[in-house]
Amino acid sequence: QKEVEQDPGPLSVPEGAIVSLNCTYSNSAFQYFMWYRQYSRKGPELLMYTYSSGNKEDGRFTAQVDKSSKYISLFIRDSQPSDSATYLCAMKRGAQKLVFGQGTRLTINP
Amino acid sequence: GAGVSQSPSNKVTEKGKDVELRCDPISGHTALYWYRQSLGQGLEFLIYFQGNSAPDKSGLPSDRFSAERTGGSVSTLTIQRTQQEDSAVYLCASSLQGLMVNEQFFGPGTRLTVL
Repeated sequence: QKEVEQDPGPLSVPEGAIVSLNCTYSNSAFQYFMWYRQYSRKGPELLMYTYSSGNKEDGRFTAQVDKSSKYISLFIRDSQPSDSATYLCAMKRGAQKLVFGQGTRLTINP
Repeated sequence: GAGVSQSPSNKVTEKGKDVELRCDPISGHTALYWYRQSLGQGLEFLIYFQGNSAPDKSGLPSDRFSAERTGGSVSTLTIQRTQQEDSAVYLCASSLQGLMVNEQFFGPGTRLTVL
């Protein structure tokens, strides 16, 4: 069993829809939870991060962490075609090492 | 400002040949990471360099894989006697030491195809 599980999709929704992306994990030592966005043929870029449980909002994006359930989510409101990308969750243990989910490929249809 | 750069962007090689992949991190970043991303898979950690400390090689899949970082800057990932299962995108990232979040900045990757 992988430490971080993420549904690879693909996920296709109409423009303007609310998107929910999720990851589960097994290691309770994880403290920092991150979402990376990766456009085709590009490297991932950090979108949002949260520390411990709770919500964090940044514009149309909301990151949510539930440590009791070992479950994290990323919500995208008013989705745009430019949001089409692969979204990777990542979690931090120890000093430096990130553990990534498989990534969910998202397409927003105009 | 320049980001992380990697070369070559694409590499096609024959099974059994050696390949070298290069990474130029962001200037001033003391930490450097190599990852492998296979089709439809997440990022698989390979190796991590931090300053003058001994590298964390725990993710290297076999002794055919090695990496070095010269002068605390440029890094080279070498794969000897390549196999078809080595085909993947190899991503390099760098980060500043000391930040709690330790944001990693990624390069565009090298797409390796082993025929």
